Formats: sequence, structure tokens, C-alpha cells
Amino acid sequence: SQKIEQNSEALNIQEGKTATLTCNYTNYSPAYLQWYRQDPGRGPVFLLLIRENEKEKRKERLKVTFDTTLKQSLFHITASQPADSATYLCALEITGGGNKLTFGTGTQLKVEL
Amino acid sequence: DGGITQSPKYLFRKEGQNVTLSCEQNLNHDAMYWYRQDPGQGLRLIYYSQIVNDFQKGDIAEGYSVSREKKESFPLTVTSAQKNPTAFYLCASRVPGGELFFGEGSRLTVL
Repeated sequence: SQKIEQNSEALNIQEGKTATLTCNYTNYSPAYLQWYRQDPGRGPVFLLLIRENEKEKRKERLKVTFDTTLKQSLFHITASQPADSATYLCALEITGGGNKLTFGTGTQLKVEL
Repeated sequence: DGGITQSPKYLFRKEGQNVTLSCEQNLNHDAMYWYRQDPGQGLRLIYYSQIVNDFQKGDIAEGYSVSREKKESFPLTVTSAQKNPTAFYLCASRVPGGELFFGEGSRLTVL
């Protein structure tokens, strides 16, 4: 069966450190992988998109890597701030998958002072 | 401002009742989606539509119905056949291959 796995346990880090979140998938041939941020009681907000032929993407303090051999994406937030505390979701769009995105369960990040 | 508008934000339903959640977008997107979110389970796809008058079942379509009569609108009906409807419902839209734009969600509680 197809699965997208993210760390189910919350990630607690100290302000100023780099947060690294993991997204692993099985039995997919993804065309795109996307990362979203979700605050409690709100809709997710898009952060970054990376294509299957791209290894890395950056946007300000955010960096995403995509390893189709390992079937894994890593999401990094450098110089983390308490305002970065939220749940982060990865989503895959499969090649020939009918224009739909499948989401992981999300990882809750807490950045402490 | 352009975006996705969902209503109502909170909705209470008695068992056996059908309820309809509204989703409107002014982004001129062809594709629209409905997801359900339960604690610890991420987002699960209910239905999606790639064009007016066409829609497809997602992973958990049983007990739900949709229509797409206008490009801007994609309402979701939670029917009495849905055995566990209490959840947070999210509507989204996008251009093909692009990012999803989400609404603020509708929280449905069955009394």
C-alpha cells in the first residue's frame, strides 16, 4: 500500500537552532513534493514545492531536499524562532495520479526560547 | 482579495441530518478539493473536481456528496450515511501542478 510518513512525535528545539523534519514515502513515483504549514484551527499554507528532478530548494530560512532513491524529503528551518511553531505537512503529487495531492500526517514543531 | 471562502466556520448537526458545507473561490482555478482532518491523521481527500460538471471520489468518499455547477463553487454535503462526521473540513483550489490554496475550514460536530 502507499504510505507517507512524518514524525508523529512533536519536535522541540531551542530558538536559533535548525529544525529538520522528515517525510518518507513508499510505493509512490512522485512528480512533486510540497510542504505546508498549519496553525491550530486554520487551513494549511503553502511553503515550498520541489520537483522530482530537483535535489534542493531554498526560500529565505527554509530549505527542502528531495531524494527519490531514498524516497525521502527533508525540510529545514534555519535560525528557528518561536513564531515557527506550527504543524508542518508534506504532500505528494504522483505522476499520472489525476491531479490530486496526498498528505502525510504532519509533524508538530515547537521552538522554545 | 482573492481566496477561498468556507462557511460556516462551526456547524452542529443532529444524528440523521444532512448538512452542506459551502466553498467559494475567486482565484479562477479549475481544480477544487475537499479534505477531512482528524486529530493525528493529517488530511484525507474526500472528493475533487478538475473542471465544472465533473468530480472524482477521493480516498474517503463514502457518506459524502458534491456538486460542481459553477467554477467558483464546490459545496460538500455530509449525509446521514457518514457514520463519523465530526471533523475539520478543508476546501482548497489550485492550478494543475501548483500549490493548494486552502480556506479557513469548517468544524462539524455531531450532537
